[in-house]
Amino acid sequence: KQEVTQIPAALSVPEGENLVLNCSFTDSAIYNLQWFRQDPGKGLTSLLLIQSSQREQTSGRLNASLDKSSGRSTLYIAASQPGDSATYLCAVRRDTGNQFYFGTGTSLTVIP
Amino acid sequence: DAGITQSPRHKVTETGTPVTLRCHQTENHRYMYWYRQDPGHGLRLIHYSYGVKDTDKGEVSDGYSVSRSKTEDFLLTLESATSSQTSVYFCAIRDTGGTEAFFGQGTRLTVV
Repeated sequence: KQEVTQIPAALSVPEGENLVLNCSFTDSAIYNLQWFRQDPGKGLTSLLLIQSSQREQTSGRLNASLDKSSGRSTLYIAASQPGDSATYLCAVRRDTGNQFYFGTGTSLTVIP
Repeated sequence: DAGITQSPRHKVTETGTPVTLRCHQTENHRYMYWYRQDPGHGLRLIHYSYGVKDTDKGEVSDGYSVSRSKTEDFLLTLESATSSQTSVYFCAIRDTGGTEAFFGQGTRLTVV
């Protein structure tokens, strides 16, 4: 079974700081990895999708990298803003099967 | 936003009663999923569907059944609700290949 871990569980930073969120997975035979954002009481919003053949993806101030062989992905947020406060989740899809395995998330607070 | 609608959004029900949650999509995507989200466990897969009348179990399928008689609708049924099924339930959809998953807004179910 694929195990997905996100460290730290919670992070608090001052506005304007650059930060990195981590996601690790135990089985490197993945199809792709997706990062989501979840606001309190809301659904999941897709941020970035990285295919197993890719090294990174960028969207605005967000950059996600993938090192499949070491079982790690990072989400880099540049120039953080209070509106970035949310829980960030990573999900891994194995190259066999159709389900996604989720980490338990990192709760981010950006202090004005 | 991806066209996913979950209903109801909130429900309180009594132990032992049957409950059906509905997920409706307007995207004509092949894959549909039901996840539950609980503190400390993250999101866990209950069941998923890979086509009309084609479904498979996830890691926490006991006590749940699903049906998909049309591409756009995926129903989750709790045959006899228990307090351990109090949770937030999310539906997700995905097209074929290595495409993104999109999530609904969730259904908060309380079993008393």
